[in-house]
This record gives sequence, C-alpha cells and structure tokens, in this order.
Amino acid sequence: AQTVTQSQPEMSVQEAETVTLSCTYDTSESDYYLFWYKQPPSRQMILVIRQEAYKQQNATENRFSVNFQKAAKSFSLKISDSQLGDAAMYFCAYIKAAGNKLTFGGGTRVLVKP
Amino acid sequence: EPEVTQTPSHQVTQMGQEVILRCVPISNHLYFYWYRQILGQKVEFLVSFYNNEISEKSEIFDDQFSVERPDGSNFTLKIRSTKLEDSAMYFCASSLTGKGEYGYTFGSGTRLTVV
Repeated sequence: AQTVTQSQPEMSVQEAETVTLSCTYDTSESDYYLFWYKQPPSRQMILVIRQEAYKQQNATENRFSVNFQKAAKSFSLKISDSQLGDAAMYFCAYIKAAGNKLTFGGGTRVLVKP
Repeated sequence: EPEVTQTPSHQVTQMGQEVILRCVPISNHLYFYWYRQILGQKVEFLVSFYNNEISEKSEIFDDQFSVERPDGSNFTLKIRSTKLEDSAMYFCASSLTGKGEYGYTFGSGTRLTVV
C-alpha cells in the first residue's frame, strides 16, 4: 500500500522569507502523480501544485515550487517570499496513474510571522 | 471558477441518528468522491463513485455508510446510525476524467459533530 509521510508537524517562517516542507512517499508504481494541497482555517482543500512522476522537470506555480527526487521518493514544497495568506496546513498527496484514490500525508502547519 | 458545493457547513447530530451530507459536484464532472478528516488527523479516502455505482471504497466505508446520486446534480453521503467516532470533516470531491492526474476539486467540507 502507498504511504505518504510528512515529518514536520509545524514550520514557522518570517514574512518574505522562504520555507521548505518535506514529503516522502512509498510506492512500487512507476507512473503516478504528486500534489500539494493547502488547507487554510476555512478548512477547504486547495490544490497548490502538481507533479507528474514521468517528468524530471520540477513543477513551479508562481511562488510555489517543488523538488521532486523520484529515486529518493521525495517531494518537497518550497514557498518563496512567504505571505501572511500562506499560513495554513499543507498536505502532500499521491495518486497512481489511472488510480482514483488520493493518499494524503499527515500535514504540516505553516505559521507566517509578520 | 467552478466549485464543488457542500451543505450544510456544520451539522450536529445525536448518536444513533441518521445524517445525510450533501454535495453538488462540478457540473461536467463524472467521478465523485468522499473523504474524511478526523480533527488533527490525516485526510482519508472513503469512497469513489462513477456511473451510478461505487468504484472503490475503503475499509472505513462499512455498512453504515452509503452514497447516492439522487438526481443529475447532487451527490450524497448517508450515515445510517452515527457514532461518536464519526465526528469529522467530510469532504466531497469531483473530477472530470477519474484518472487523478489533475488531482480533484474539493468542496469546503461539512463538519459533522456527533454528540
């Protein structure tokens, strides 16, 4: 069974600084997708960024970027120029290609200090 | 941008009562899901639904749970006899292709409190 692990329960960052969230996963599949979701206090799950396992190039969405290391099964999220609105829980998630079940990590709470 | 809508946002129910959580997926999406998040814990898959039938369910999704698409727009999760441990956030999600490559669009959740 696939598992997703986020080893940092909480991270704190100064406004305008950079923070990196860690995620590792375990799978025997070679084709899959990885995601980072943001969950603000409103509790809605918002897709931040996605990565296709067969692409070596790391995904980037504005201030959010990932470091995808397929051999190490690592998928970290970097938030640059942190803003107060970035404060939230962040969940790493995995789905195998043609699968229909997302597997989530336990989440990392990001605190942004003004 | 299209949204997945869930109602109610918060429901309080007595233990043993039946509860129905409602979702309106994005109109052209064909695949529907329910996930659960117990406070402070992981988001967990409950069930996926396509073409008017369950395509996959987790071990959490026992006989107390059922899903239905009663009309062309709603997708419901019913818990027949609620237990204290059913207290959680319940998220509905939908996708167009069901292949997961774009993740899913989630609703804003229903907080269920069983007392």
